[in-house]
Amino acid sequence: AQTVTQSQPEMSVQEAETVTLSCTYDTSESDYYLFWYKQPPSRQMILVIRQEAYKQQNATENRFSVNFQKAAKSFSLKISDSQLGDAAMYFCAYRSVDGATNKLIFGTGTLLAVQP
Amino acid sequence: NAGVTQTPKFQVLKTGQSMTLQCAQDMNHNSMYWYRQDPGMGLRLIYYSASEGTTDKGEVPNGYNVSRLNKREFSLRLESAAPSQTSVYFCATDRVVSFGNQPQHFGDGTRLSIL
Repeated sequence: AQTVTQSQPEMSVQEAETVTLSCTYDTSESDYYLFWYKQPPSRQMILVIRQEAYKQQNATENRFSVNFQKAAKSFSLKISDSQLGDAAMYFCAYRSVDGATNKLIFGTGTLLAVQP
Repeated sequence: NAGVTQTPKFQVLKTGQSMTLQCAQDMNHNSMYWYRQDPGMGLRLIYYSASEGTTDKGEVPNGYNVSRLNKREFSLRLESAAPSQTSVYFCATDRVVSFGNQPQHFGDGTRLSIL
């Protein structure tokens, strides 16, 4: 069974600085998808960025980028020019390519605080 | 999140009471999911429905039942609530299963407390 591990329960960053959130996963599959979701205090789950395992190029979305290391089974999220609105819980998630189910496997989350 | 609507948003129950959480989506998605979120444990899948007329157990199904009423609606029922079921419950939906990189869309959650 696949597992997702986020080893940083809490992180803090100064406004305008860069922070990296860690995520590792365990799988025997060769193809899969990875996601980062943001959950602000409003409780909404918001997709931040996604990565297909067959793509070597790291995904980027404006100030958000990932460092995808397939061999190491690592999928970290880098937030550049951090803003107060980035303060939230961040979840890493894994999904199999297998069409039988699209269920997501989540990590335990990293709570990010942004200091003004 | 107008696409996925969960009701109610908050509920307090007594141990042993029953309760149905409702989820409706207007995104024409075929797959729907129920997760629970507990502190320090992330989101865990309770049940899911890959398509209308089918349901399957997820990681933590005990104490729950589900009904996929139609393509739009997927309900979660607690027949006899227990304090261990105090949690925040999320409904999610997505498109056909072959498109695995399509994101799941989440409702705003239901905070359920069981005394």
